[in-house]
Amino acid sequence: DVKVTQSSRYLVKRTGEKVFLECVQDMDHENMFWYRQDPGLGLRLIYFSYDVKMKEKGDIPEGYSVSREKKERFSLILESASTNQTSMYLCASSPAGVGYGYTFGSGTRLTVV
Amino acid sequence: AQSVAQPEDQVNVAEGNPLTVKCTYSVSGNPYLFWYVQYPNRGLQFLLKYITGDNLVKGSYGFEAEFNKSQTSFHLKKPSALVSDSALYFCAVRDPDSGGYQKVTFGTGTKLQVIP
Repeated sequence: DVKVTQSSRYLVKRTGEKVFLECVQDMDHENMFWYRQDPGLGLRLIYFSYDVKMKEKGDIPEGYSVSREKKERFSLILESASTNQTSMYLCASSPAGVGYGYTFGSGTRLTVV
Repeated sequence: AQSVAQPEDQVNVAEGNPLTVKCTYSVSGNPYLFWYVQYPNRGLQFLLKYITGDNLVKGSYGFEAEFNKSQTSFHLKKPSALVSDSALYFCAVRDPDSGGYQKVTFGTGTKLQVIP
């Protein structure tokens, strides 16, 4: 069964901490994405990557960075966590091309205190 | 700019009755349209997509969706609802004619509650 695996289901961090969210896919997909999900706002794209070492800003990149050193792994970094970054974070991947749906991970619920 | 709207925050339906979850979209070209389902504390799962061809698309778990270009809609349907269908449903759109990376835009989600 194909999978997108997010390293943590629940995470609690303190304000100002540097936070790493890891995502690994085993489908050899070219594209990988990070979204945050908030009630009433749906999914908002933070960053995406269409190739190793490539990254593009999404709709809400402020306060975040990403790293993709290997094709299967896409990391989201919160440089200095703040309480307004408390959210559900979803990683997704897809093959190259426009007609494909996304495969999502189970999500990481991050609480910043 | 592309957009997608899910006009209902919540839909309640009795078990065994037909269900419809509404979605309308706005794109400059011909849309690619998707439905996803999210069960509690889980990521989204792909249900079905419309790219081209027949306006009625069949997907997983007995769901189907009808593409209506004149009404710019892509409503999700199922003939007979199950309690296990209770979940959060997201519609998404992509404009393949927009050039560059064709971003997918998600709706805000509709909570489906199937009542036993």
